[in-house]
Amino acid sequence: DAGITQSPRHKVTETGTPVTLRCHQTENHRYMYWYRQDPGHGLRLIHYSYGVKDTDKGEVSDGYSVSRSKTEDFLLTLESATSSQTSVYFCAISEEGSGKETQYFGPGTRLLVL
Amino acid sequence: QQQVKQSPQSLIVQKGGISIINCAYENTAFDYFPWYQQFPGKGPALLIAIRPDVSEKKEGRFTISFNKSAKQFSLHIMDSQPGDSATYFCAASSRGNSGYALNFGKGTSLLVTP
Repeated sequence: DAGITQSPRHKVTETGTPVTLRCHQTENHRYMYWYRQDPGHGLRLIHYSYGVKDTDKGEVSDGYSVSRSKTEDFLLTLESATSSQTSVYFCAISEEGSGKETQYFGPGTRLLVL
Repeated sequence: QQQVKQSPQSLIVQKGGISIINCAYENTAFDYFPWYQQFPGKGPALLIAIRPDVSEKKEGRFTISFNKSAKQFSLHIMDSQPGDSATYFCAASSRGNSGYALNFGKGTSLLVTP
């Protein structure tokens, strides 16, 4: 998985609780992304980062926040989890330069919100 | 608003046959078109990608055909094998100042029967 780890890999939580998912890369790539995958929707972008402390919203950012204090770590926080946020979350990375478009995905975090 | 439309949703092909998956897009700013392969419980893995300046790209048994005027592209898997059984996603992205977020199709579940 291209030097990308995600933690936790599985999580069950209750509605209304905050949840933080972590993406860690060892590739020193500049760009990092969070996607969610739901049946019938493919993958949809939540947030992305183009450098330390530089982040921007994606298509489905409501209810999510992100932070990137180090190149290697990109955190996704569900501020108050809802059942609609039950999903599989994937982190992706891409490098600077000619490889910008090529994204490599982590193994995913399966989140269940009860 | 799905920016990339993918069909069929599912596909069953006999071993040795040709699997064909189609995608269409509207945004003419898209200039990078990758295909990802995903096995159950794993993250998507880049299979092959194309830019609009070429009409076809082949890597082993996998070929992308690209029709810029029709805004369509397709994945052909020649001599399909049971090990190719997976979900395939097409995607598209465009150059920007803040990353190259991918817009995914909804996916095609491919089953190759022995």
